[in-house]
Amino acid sequence: QVTLRESGPALVKRTQTLTLTCTFSGFSLSSSGMGVSWIRQPPGKALEWLARIDWDDDEFYSKSLKTRLSISKDTSKNQVVLTMTNMDPMDTGTYYCARDTVVVDAYQYNGMDVWGQGTTVTVSS
Amino acid sequence: EILLTQSPATVSLSPGERATLSCRASESVTSYLAWYQQKPGQAPRLLIYDGSKRATGIPARFSGSGAGTDFTLTISSLEPEDFAVYYCHQRSNWPGFGPGTRVDVK
Repeated sequence: QVTLRESGPALVKRTQTLTLTCTFSGFSLSSSGMGVSWIRQPPGKALEWLARIDWDDDEFYSKSLKTRLSISKDTSKNQVVLTMTNMDPMDTGTYYCARDTVVVDAYQYNGMDVWGQGTTVTVSS
Repeated sequence: EILLTQSPATVSLSPGERATLSCRASESVTSYLAWYQQKPGQAPRLLIYDGSKRATGIPARFSGSGAGTDFTLTISSLEPEDFAVYYCHQRSNWPGFGPGTRVDVK
């Protein structure tokens, strides 16, 4: 059974750096095609994709946020860490991690098939 | 950067009716597109991947079609639990979500 769980501070102050951890089980991030994405959702608004790290250590970022984001993985701990610098009240919302996979040889995108429950982050001014 | 637009923004339908949701990409995403359903207070759920393949456990009333820049999610006969917000997402280049389509009860 594949599961993911987000953890991190519920409250951060403006200009601080946010560090979120996604702890997963049921799959290996060193297996071909595997990836983990971070997605966020401000209250009442749409989903926003933030970043992804793949089995081969490739990193991908939102174009609008890439200067503030960093993603890393610890395969031995089954964890993916997202850091976001210079936090602002506009960054308040629910942050999700999700397994995000492709079938490499078939050029097939399998989607973000398993999501964590999300963690709520509030940025105070 | 590839931008996704979804239409309509909101659609009001009755149970049993057919829903047709559109997602258009600013340039080709080949088939690297997925559809998600989100209900209030819940994480999104994968419905369709690779443009047209139903995810595990998704009822047959959900279907996806399209490739390149134009994609459609069809719900053949709306059940009460289908009233939700639907998002498309592309993983091709600078991944991102569309703004969503809300399916409301008429």
